[in-house]
Amino acid sequence: DVKVTQSSRYLVKRTGEKVFLECVQDMDHENMFWYRQDPGLGLRLIYFSYDVKMKEKGDIPEGYSVSREKKERFSLILESASTNQTSMYLCATLERQRGEKLFFGSGTQLSVL
Amino acid sequence: QKEVEQDPGPLSVPEGAIVSLNCTYSNSAFQYFMWYRQYSRKGPELLMYTYSSGNKEDGRFTAQVDKSSKYISLFIRDSQPSDSATYLCAMEYGNKLVFGAGTILRVKS
Repeated sequence: DVKVTQSSRYLVKRTGEKVFLECVQDMDHENMFWYRQDPGLGLRLIYFSYDVKMKEKGDIPEGYSVSREKKERFSLILESASTNQTSMYLCATLERQRGEKLFFGSGTQLSVL
Repeated sequence: QKEVEQDPGPLSVPEGAIVSLNCTYSNSAFQYFMWYRQYSRKGPELLMYTYSSGNKEDGRFTAQVDKSSKYISLFIRDSQPSDSATYLCAMEYGNKLVFGAGTILRVKS
């Protein structure tokens, strides 16, 4: 079974703090994604990566950056956390086999006070 | 207008009922259609994946795509309390994947 592990289930941070969200996958998938999920808005893509050290902006990259130094690890960075970044953050990997299938982690609920 | 519209619910049904979940979309370029299920405090998991118009069945679940009406449905037969979750539709063309906002389903025993 594919496993996508997000390091924290819940995080509480203060405005202006630098925040790191970590994601690790064990299936050697090339593509990894960071989404945020907000009530009524569904999942919105922040950034994705199709290879080590490669990254692409998603639909809402402002205020975020990412790092992919190793294939299995994809980090999301909030340079200076703001209250409007309070959200559920979901990491995912992509399997391409008879179609495309996203595997999600359990999510990190981030609260910025 | 959102590319993908999905009623957020909640939809509350008795155990054993047939459930119908729906999404509409505006972009005729969408080619692949998916349904994800998300339990509370968990990430979404892929439930159904379809490519063309028509029906696809998997156990108690049937996914239906009507490209001419830009409408997709997920039917759940003999619904169980364990089906209580949020169901998200998703659609893809090229490398663009768009999710609906999700419908909360509650199946009462």
